[in-house]
Amino acid sequence: DIQLTQSPSFLSASVGDRVTITCRASQGISSYLAWYQQKPGKAPKLLIYAASTLQSGVPSRFSGSGSGTEFTLTISSLQPEDFATYYCQQLNSYPITFGQGTRLEIK
Amino acid sequence: EVQLVETGGGLIQPGGSLRLSCAASGFTVSSNYMSWVRQAPGKGLEWVSVIYSGGSTYYADSVKGRFTISRDNSKNTLYLQMNSLRAEDTAVYYCARAMRPSDAFDIWGQGTMVTVSS
Repeated sequence: DIQLTQSPSFLSASVGDRVTITCRASQGISSYLAWYQQKPGKAPKLLIYAASTLQSGVPSRFSGSGSGTEFTLTISSLQPEDFATYYCQQLNSYPITFGQGTRLEIK
Repeated sequence: EVQLVETGGGLIQPGGSLRLSCAASGFTVSSNYMSWVRQAPGKGLEWVSVIYSGGSTYYADSVKGRFTISRDNSKNTLYLQMNSLRAEDTAVYYCARAMRPSDAFDIWGQGTMVTVSS
């Protein structure tokens, strides 16, 4: 199985900050990586697919990059509604796996 | 409107069975790649199973042999039959859509809670 390791697991930041979350895969997954945002009691929401493509309707302050084994999600200027948990997901092979999550909280 | 609505969750004793449903609107279940994903209380996301448009199915090792994914094309509904339930199956279960085999999950249901406890 492909393991995904996100760092950090917890992040405290302020409105307006630029933040970056990293996702490392235990083996190469090309660009078969997605990023999701989840708020408490809600379903995950797709932000980025194919490592760097912004899902329709997602604000442009979100961006993704990387390929192979190392990927990043960047939020260029944090807004109050961005405080949530973020997950990466690999779709290269079964079983599909998720990272453990990064909880982003207000400083 | 494109949406998924899960039903069928509840409290069930260990060893019991439960069937979850996921009704789709705004698109055709049988033309897409439909997955179940679960989330134990306070934990991360775990992929459970997928059914391809052609009917092929795949399962996580943790549920293989106990869970069965299926669909009813006439009802445009996805199912998850869960047998031999264990305490560790306790989770919110989400259904989700991908349009192609390696696509991300662009549509998710609201989730249904399954609690396995005596």
